[in-house]
Amino acid sequence: DAGVIQSPRHEVTEMGQEVTLRCKPISGHDYLFWYRQTMMRGLELLIYFNNNVPIDDSGMPEDRFSAKMPNASFSTLKIQPSEPRDSAVYFCASSLRTGFEQYFGPGTRLTVT
Amino acid sequence: GNSVTQMEGPVTLSEEAFLTINCTYTATGYPSLFWYVQYPGEGLQLLLKATKADDKGSNKGFEATYRKETTSFHLEKGSVQVSDSAVYFCALSKTGANNLFFGTGTRLTVIP
Repeated sequence: DAGVIQSPRHEVTEMGQEVTLRCKPISGHDYLFWYRQTMMRGLELLIYFNNNVPIDDSGMPEDRFSAKMPNASFSTLKIQPSEPRDSAVYFCASSLRTGFEQYFGPGTRLTVT
Repeated sequence: GNSVTQMEGPVTLSEEAFLTINCTYTATGYPSLFWYVQYPGEGLQLLLKATKADDKGSNKGFEATYRKETTSFHLEKGSVQVSDSAVYFCALSKTGANNLFFGTGTRLTVIP
């Protein structure tokens, strides 16, 4: 089992540029979660999907953020335009069923200059 | 609402010392409780869990008991090792809810 796969592992970009983060969940998992982790705010849930459908996006900070899950094995989190305050580690996680253990990917460290 | 409160860190211990990281929760009903660990440069991984009152979760020498009367799920280890240095997160999952509520994390550093 390859676990949750995220790419890229590191991303450095300039303010105003578009950033796309990618995630491949564990095969067979019905739920996919996007988190953001910063020193100031800790771990924040941004959005989660069930069977490819967005269920709760109340954690998405603003319209510059969008997430899609076109199929069961792929999801993207896009920031357009990016700002320095978006610098953080972004984690993707998946789980088999509601309330069950979530498996986290290694994260993408985003730096916006 | 649902929330988790963890003791603030950082915590620094000598090798073989006893560890306690406090965690209390607020939730209606009967949540499941978890401890996740994050090693440097990695994602979170499940350390242990308990799904009902008085359950004890255990793994790698760590233990935590689900105490409904005190709404607590404190993490303990009898003898820490340098390799236990990490950030520890307490979390809860409300019955019927699809997401986890995480605490702020407690950084543990174990020195030789």
